Order: sequence, then structure tokens, then C-alpha cells
Amino acid sequence: SQTIHQWPATLVQPVGSPLSLECTVEGTSNPNLYWYRQAAGRGLQLLFYSVGIGQISSEVPQNLSASRPQDRQFILSSKKLLLSDSGFYLCACRTGRTEAFFGQGTRLTVV
Amino acid sequence: GEDVEQSLFLSVREGDSSVINCTYTDSSSTYLYWYKQEPGAGLQLLTYIFSNMDMKQDQRLTVLLNKKDKHLSLRIADTQTGDSAIYFCAERTSGTYKYIFGTGTRLKVLA
Repeated sequence: SQTIHQWPATLVQPVGSPLSLECTVEGTSNPNLYWYRQAAGRGLQLLFYSVGIGQISSEVPQNLSASRPQDRQFILSSKKLLLSDSGFYLCACRTGRTEAFFGQGTRLTVV
Repeated sequence: GEDVEQSLFLSVREGDSSVINCTYTDSSSTYLYWYKQEPGAGLQLLTYIFSNMDMKQDQRLTVLLNKKDKHLSLRIADTQTGDSAIYFCAERTSGTYKYIFGTGTRLKVLA
């Protein structure tokens, strides 16, 4: 079966520090991968999506970047966090046989 | 561009029916989804419908689509306390990879 692993589950980081959130997928190959952010009262905002290794589409200009170094690995990064980067970050995966399914999320608090 | 809108809150009594509404803007061939998010967790796909359908029923869930008004609804029959969660409406244009989510509707079920 297909599963998504996201870590860490929670993270508290100071302003100006770097960020690296990792998402890995098991049980499938060549998936579409997504990073979403959920902020209070703002629903789910699509940040990045990727249809293959090294292929990243950015949806909103921001302080974040994404990389896909391997087929089933998607990484969300920042060089210097801002207070406004706080939120709940969700990784999602879509395959040829399934609609988008989600990981359990990472709660990021920037202090 | 694409936009999906939902009301933010809904409160119902246990045993009553819940109706969660959503409007969307994409006029292309579209898949429309309902996801459920329990506290602190990722999103779980409940059901989805293609834009050439008017209705889909799955146990206690009924999805109705009004294509003319671009209005989607999710009806939950015999609502239970375990149905308390945030419900997200989402759309994806056929042949594309992007899922666009609404702000989510927080359903509270009163005992």
C-alpha cells in the first residue's frame, strides 16, 4: 500500500534559522508530489508541486524553496525563516491509480 | 484563475443531517473532491465526483453538483460526534496536476 512519511511532526524554530522538512513516499513510483501550507483561517495553500525528479513548480512567491532529489522524496526548505512561515505543512502524493493522499503534517512555529 | 469558496463554520445536532456547501470557478472538465481533516492530522479523501455527474452517494455521504451555478454540496446523514472535523472542498481540472482547496468548513456536532 502507498504511504507518506513526513517529519518532524512538530518543530519550533527561531526567526532567521534554516528549515528542512522531508517527505518520502512508499509503495509507488513516479508520483506527483505536493507541499501545502495550512494557516489559521486561510485554508490550504498550494506552495509547490513536482511531476518528476528535479521538476518543481512554485505557486506563490515566498521565502521557501522545494527540491526533489529522488523519485519518492520531496524536501521543503528555507534559508532564513520568518514569523509568517509558521503554519501546518502538509505533503501530498498523487499517482496514476489514486487521487491525492496526505501525510500527517508538520506543525512549524517560528518564534 | 481557479477559486474555491466555503463557509467557515457549521454546527448541527447529533442525528441531524449536515450540509456543507462549496462554490468553484473552473469551467473546464473538473474533478471535485471532499476531504476530511481531524484535529492535528492530514487530510483524508472522502469522495469525489466528475463534472459530468449530478450526484454521487456513498453510505451516509451524498454529493450534489449544480454545474450551472458551480455549486457543490456534501450531505452527511445521521451526523455523529465522530464527524466533527474540518471539511475541505477541492477541484482539479482534468489533465492537470493541481488541486485547489477551499478554506475548509469546521463542522461541530452537538450531542
